[in-house]
Amino acid sequence: EVQLLESGGGLVQPGGSLTLSCAASGFTFANYVMTWVRQAPGRGLEWVSTIGASDLGTYYADSVKGRFSISRDNSKNTLYLQLNSLRAEDTAIYYCARHGGSCSSGSCYLESWGQGTQVSVSS
Amino acid sequence: QSVLTQPPSVSAAPGQKVTISCSASSSNLGFNYVSWYQQFPGTAPKLLIYENDKRPSGVPDRFSGSKSGTSATLGITGLQTGDEADYYCGTWDRSLSARWVFGGGTKVTVL
Repeated sequence: EVQLLESGGGLVQPGGSLTLSCAASGFTFANYVMTWVRQAPGRGLEWVSTIGASDLGTYYADSVKGRFSISRDNSKNTLYLQLNSLRAEDTAIYYCARHGGSCSSGSCYLESWGQGTQVSVSS
Repeated sequence: QSVLTQPPSVSAAPGQKVTISCSASSSNLGFNYVSWYQQFPGTAPKLLIYENDKRPSGVPDRFSGSKSGTSATLGITGLQTGDEADYYCGTWDRSLSARWVFGGGTKVTVL
């Protein structure tokens, strides 16, 4: 059974930093593209970042580019998101998700999701 | 502002049918597959439809998807109270800067 378990969220002051983790199990983690999606209170889904499986290519939303950094440790089956220079508008639940399909052919989807971890930015 | 446009809400009585539209603002998205996600309050989203019209194992055939040009549609027939949730369309945009794009979400209410 595919499992994704996020951790590392919490309350942080504006300008602060956090590192989110997503522990994966039940599948060969190294073979899959992974994505972070966030959801602010009462709002819709917002894509944050994606990292490739083998090529480790990284992609970021304009709203987080230069402040957030996605990475993965395939030996630990873990996905990370480093959040720096946090702002109030970064307050959200952060979900990690495993891709299905092939993005290079235009056919990819977010097949499995974690339960999310809450990040709150406030003074 | 979402690149994909969905109606904020739709509603119908139990047993009826609802459709949720998802329209792209860019013609580039016409070449990509659309997926749909179901989210109940306080829970993570769940994949409902992928590659425009395919259902993952376990998703009832009351849920269907279609796509034509730059628009996609999610249909729910035989509406049940347990279908009350938020529904999001999404697609991987392979244009200038690769990214995921989502619709703003549609709240389905069973009257």
